[in-house]
Amino acid sequence: DADVTQTPRNRITKTGKRIMLECSQTKGHDRMYWYRQDPGLGLRLIYYSFDVKDINKGEISDGYSVSRQAQAKFSLSLESAIPNQTALYFCATSANRGYNNEQFFGPGTRLTVL
Amino acid sequence: KQEVTQIPAALSVPEGENLVLNCSFTDSAIYNLQWFRQDPGKGLTSLLLIQSSQREQTSGRLNASLDKSSGRSTLYIAASQPGDSATYLCAVCYGGSQGNLIFGKGTKLSVKP
Repeated sequence: DADVTQTPRNRITKTGKRIMLECSQTKGHDRMYWYRQDPGLGLRLIYYSFDVKDINKGEISDGYSVSRQAQAKFSLSLESAIPNQTALYFCATSANRGYNNEQFFGPGTRLTVL
Repeated sequence: KQEVTQIPAALSVPEGENLVLNCSFTDSAIYNLQWFRQDPGKGLTSLLLIQSSQREQTSGRLNASLDKSSGRSTLYIAASQPGDSATYLCAVCYGGSQGNLIFGKGTKLSVKP
């Protein structure tokens, strides 16, 4: 079984719709992250959480919100989707191990906003 | 602004060649540096992590080096194979209150049979 899972894997939605992307992990890590990947722009951080009660904005948080429901679950919401949010979204996790906080990524969710 | 640059953006080599992928970063006060592999439309697979106190890490045919003073890392792939074809991403962690990764845009590698 995959250590970091994301649902759905693909989603097509319309402008203005609310959508939630979910991430679950079985690695027992405290830290979780949401990134988006766009062609030519690379991966950029949206939100991150160091534990259940800790939520932090990343580089591009506008238009997004998150919820850390449990240590193992971190969801990303688009309250009112717009076409420029079309991208590949990745969830990642890491342990709090100082200099060895290797990040592990999920398989990604391909989101298309029409 | 902390930036990560990868050169070249694309590379095509014949099978069996040894090759080097380059990564440079603007702020040398890094926590660690991670190399990933990404296959088309897929997730990222972690290849190697080098902590700031380390000079290199090895895994199989892969060797990653780190020179903080010059702001550079290299990923050396020995005896390349067609299965190595993928995009290779370099990412830097500055630690502290962040812990997130700052990514380069990647080098797309194609190994021809």
